[in-house]
Formats: sequence, structure tokens, C-alpha cells
Amino acid sequence: QSVLTQPPSVSAAPGQKVTISCSGGSSDIGRHYVSWYQQFPGTAPKLLIYDNDKRPSGIPDRFSGSKSGTSATLGITGLQTGDEADYYCGTWDGSQTVVLFGGGTKLTVL
Amino acid sequence: QVQLQQSGPGLVKPSQTLSLTCAISGDSVSTNSAGWNWIRQSPSRGLEWLGRTYYRSKWYSDYAVSVRGRITINADTSRNQFSLHLNSVTPEDTAVYYCGRRDHGKGYLDYWGQGTLVTVSS
Repeated sequence: QSVLTQPPSVSAAPGQKVTISCSGGSSDIGRHYVSWYQQFPGTAPKLLIYDNDKRPSGIPDRFSGSKSGTSATLGITGLQTGDEADYYCGTWDGSQTVVLFGGGTKLTVL
Repeated sequence: QVQLQQSGPGLVKPSQTLSLTCAISGDSVSTNSAGWNWIRQSPSRGLEWLGRTYYRSKWYSDYAVSVRGRITINADTSRNQFSLHLNSVTPEDTAVYYCGRRDHGKGYLDYWGQGTLVTVSS
């Protein structure tokens, strides 16, 4: 069982906006930065958001992140069929040693 | 640009040792600014961090509680790579294994290997 809780699936129409939530606790999300990863079938996860709301070079600004208390949210605007993927949140545990992941959310663009 | 290239067998027999290697290009395994991690992914366990090795004047390793006692992660500076060794494997260890880089002081992995499906079966 993942320590961080995500909805199993979300869906929205092309061009619309979707949000994906990630819920944790006071010792993980409540204390540390959150990251988000995008994973297409058969490929490795790719860093999408780090330090709650920062995008690595090359990630379009359609992708955004935020954090409040012990929860974080990934937002995707202007949905495209190419955004269909699994999305995972991540953070540290209290010891700042173990990387924790959410259970993943499958995004369907209808 | 950092690239991680994984290698190793895709089939391991129960009770034997799973060994994978991650070759690094574009960075040094001995860097003081990053750590080198192994993660696995399975339908039953999701993404699971297994451990890391890093160099800060000497070598350190940290391991997840779930595999502690069975796992070793070490670095080969001459080949600029690091390896995972997981012994006494069972079918529960069947998963896709990834290597990844994590900057020092950061909780995210910015570069990942391509993944290796390892099946534990006789």
C-alpha cells in the first residue's frame, strides 16, 4: 500500500483542465517538497514537477503543481490526447532518506 | 545530459540473487552532489524505493526496510556505474527495476534508467 494517496483515475475532454490530488501526512508531504512524475506504458517515469511547483526544462507550462498542508495537486490545462498517462506524486519520508510515491492516477483524455 | 543505461538478466530463479547494473554517462558516480538509487514497480506494490548509494568523502548506502538484509547497492568508480544485488529472491520480487539519480538534499529523481523487467521463476 502506498503511503501517499491518489485517485486511481481521472478523465476529462481535450482542451479541458484536470487536477490530480495527492494526500499524505505531517511527516512526509506536510514537511517536505512534492514532486510529480508522468509515465507512459512501457517507459520509465519522467520528472514533471519538483519542489512543489517547479518545472524541469522542457516541461510545458500547461503542467502546474501546488501544495497545501499535507496535500498536493497536479494541474494540467489544455488537455491533449498525448497527455494520457499515469501520474505519480512523490516526496520524502521524515528521515529524508526514503523516497515515497503515490499509488498513481491514470489520466484518460476522452 | 545525464543518461542511465541498465543491464542485467530478466529471469532469476527463486532463492538466487538478482543483480542489475546501471551505467552512468554525463555525470560521475563519485559526485558529491547526487545519490544513485534503485526503484522497482509492480502491480501489487506500485513504485517502491529500494535504496541508494552516494559518495561524501566516503561511500554510504541506505536501504528500504522492506528489503534490508537482502540488498546491497554499490558503486564501481572505474566503470562509472552502480549495481543492485538482491538475494534470496521470491516471486514477490518480480517487478520492473529502475535506476535513478537524486540530487543531494532533494526528494525527487531527475534521471531514470530505461527499466528492466525481472521475473523470479523456476
